[in-house]
Formats: sequence, C-alpha cells, structure tokens
Amino acid sequence: ETGVTQSPTHLIKTRGQQVTLRCSSQSGHNTVSWYQQALGQGPQFIFQYYREEENGRGNFPPRFSGLQFPNYSSELNVNALELDDSALYLCASSIGQGQEKLLFGSGTQLSVL
Amino acid sequence: AQSVTQLGSHVSVSEGALVLLRCNYSSSVPPYLFWYVQYPNQGLQLLLKYTSAATLVKGINGFEAEFKKSETSFHLTKPSAHMSDAAEYFCAVSLKSSGDKLTFGTGTRLAVRP
Repeated sequence: ETGVTQSPTHLIKTRGQQVTLRCSSQSGHNTVSWYQQALGQGPQFIFQYYREEENGRGNFPPRFSGLQFPNYSSELNVNALELDDSALYLCASSIGQGQEKLLFGSGTQLSVL
Repeated sequence: AQSVTQLGSHVSVSEGALVLLRCNYSSSVPPYLFWYVQYPNQGLQLLLKYTSAATLVKGINGFEAEFKKSETSFHLTKPSAHMSDAAEYFCAVSLKSSGDKLTFGTGTRLAVRP
C-alpha cells in the first residue's frame, strides 16, 4: 500500500487569503473525502468526490471547493479564509463510495492569522 | 440525522487495567458504527466497525466493541491497557455504507499510567 499522502503538513495563512491543500490517494481508490478537524473536536465531513464528481457535501459554505483528478490526486480549495478555518484537514480515500474502508492521510494543519 | 455522543473527554487508566470508552448513538435507521484511533500528528486509523453482522466486533490491537440496540450504545473495550494505547479515540456513525458521510463524536483522550 502506498497510503494517502497530504501536502503540505503545515500551513500558515492570513485572513482573506486563498489556500489549496493537496492529497494523493491510495492507488486504485476512486473516492476521496475531506474532513475538517478543529482543535478538540471530531472531524467534520466537508465533501466527497467520486470519479471526479462531487458526491455529497456537508454543512460548509461554497468557498470550500474541491477537485479530483484521474491520477488519484485531489485538492481542497478554501477562498476568503476566516480565522475559524484554522484546523487539521484530513483527506481519506476508498474504493467505491462506502465509508467502511476509508484510508486517512495524516492531515494538513492550517493556521489562519 | 445521525449523531454520536462520547461520554468522557479524558479517560485515565493504569497499565494492565480494563479500558472502557463509551459511545452512544442516535439514528433513525440501523446505523453503521466505527471506532477510530488518532495518534499525535497522525491521521485516523480504523480500529473496528459494526455493519449489521455480529453484534460483538473484534478489532485491531486487542480492542472490541459490542453493539447494543436497546441501549443505543457501542462502547469500546480492551481487557488490559498498554502504554502504546495512549491516543485519541473517536466513535463515528454512518447511515449506510455507500456514499454517506461519517459523523464523528468529539473524541476521548486515553491516558495510560505506568
């Protein structure tokens, strides 16, 4: 297994800026999900992509957007950063849309100042 | 909507003692239930899952959990704690295995005393 790799591991941005977080999924995994984990909280579902199409979204505003590419990589984009966007962002990949075989990356720690 | 509640944000046990981490769920339909572990600076690792088969589920590292519908619970146990078990543990629920999101609890931090 190659696992799920996220980059960068840490990132500092200022309020109002835009950020792109990257994820490289396990080879063969055609589904990627993104979660936001605020300090002291459990992860919250942002959205899921299946075969390059958005396939479910949590309670996050449109300034959170994503892309999934045919080479098993994906991106999470956040526009107009707010202080409350500071969190650990986790990428998880799987084969198919089932949640029982998610493979999580180590996350990107985003700090918004 | 589904949800999980983890009772106790911090649990401390002695090495060799029983580990019991509590999780109660709320769901309008039969749920799928999961326990994940998170070590510092790492992502989430699946410990075990309940997907409507056997109610007693055995996972990795000696952990197990029992699905009790009458109590809407899915508590995580381990007979004998090891120092390496110190981590954050998350209970999660999903309504179905295909396409639905995982809804996580707020987590329980387990400390193991020598």
